[in-house]
Amino acid sequence: NAGVTQTPKFQVLKTGQSMTLQCAQDMNHNSMYWYRQDPGMGLRLIYYSASEGTTDKGEVPNGYNVSRLNKREFSLRLESAAPSQTSVYFCASSAGQGNNSPLHFGNGTRLTVT
Amino acid sequence: GDSVTQMEGPVTLSEEAFLTINCTYTATGYPSLFWYVQYPGEGLQLLLKATKADDKGSNKGFEATYRKETTSFHLEKGSVQVSDSAVYFCALRFSNTGNQFYFGTGTSLTVIP
Repeated sequence: NAGVTQTPKFQVLKTGQSMTLQCAQDMNHNSMYWYRQDPGMGLRLIYYSASEGTTDKGEVPNGYNVSRLNKREFSLRLESAAPSQTSVYFCASSAGQGNNSPLHFGNGTRLTVT
Repeated sequence: GDSVTQMEGPVTLSEEAFLTINCTYTATGYPSLFWYVQYPGEGLQLLLKATKADDKGSNKGFEATYRKETTSFHLEKGSVQVSDSAVYFCALRFSNTGNQFYFGTGTSLTVIP
């Protein structure tokens, strides 16, 4: 059972380059999320999709765009990468119904922008 | 607004020591509370959860009790092992805020033999 799958695992970009981080879940979850993790900052929500067809900004959306392609897939795009976007990015999903549905995380994408 | 405050780390303990990691929250209403664990190089994994006041979540020897009166959800383990070395995150969730989760900043635990 794959759970939440993220690709790529590692990426190095030059400033100004663009890329898309891919995420897919096979648990039939309604809600999907993108977080970034930085030392001393914990997890910060970039964007989320409460259900297929909807997306909303989180705490730190600037410089990112998202697409909920279908129920399974939720991608994160950096249009013009900046060194401040060097981070570990996690995709997560949740059943989305009720308070007690936990998040299920992928293993992360480690992005370095030079 | 809603938030989670976790005990600052890092925490270093000897094997078989007692562990407490403090977590308090600020929220209007009654959130669900979670503890997640992150092992090196991996994503976060759900450790335990509690969905209402006085609930106790437990897993792998870890426990946490949802205390509404003190707005706390402290993580405890009676006897830690080297394999418990990881980063621990407290989190809360309201279903009426777009299903958003709020995380603490994480507490790094190292257990030495």
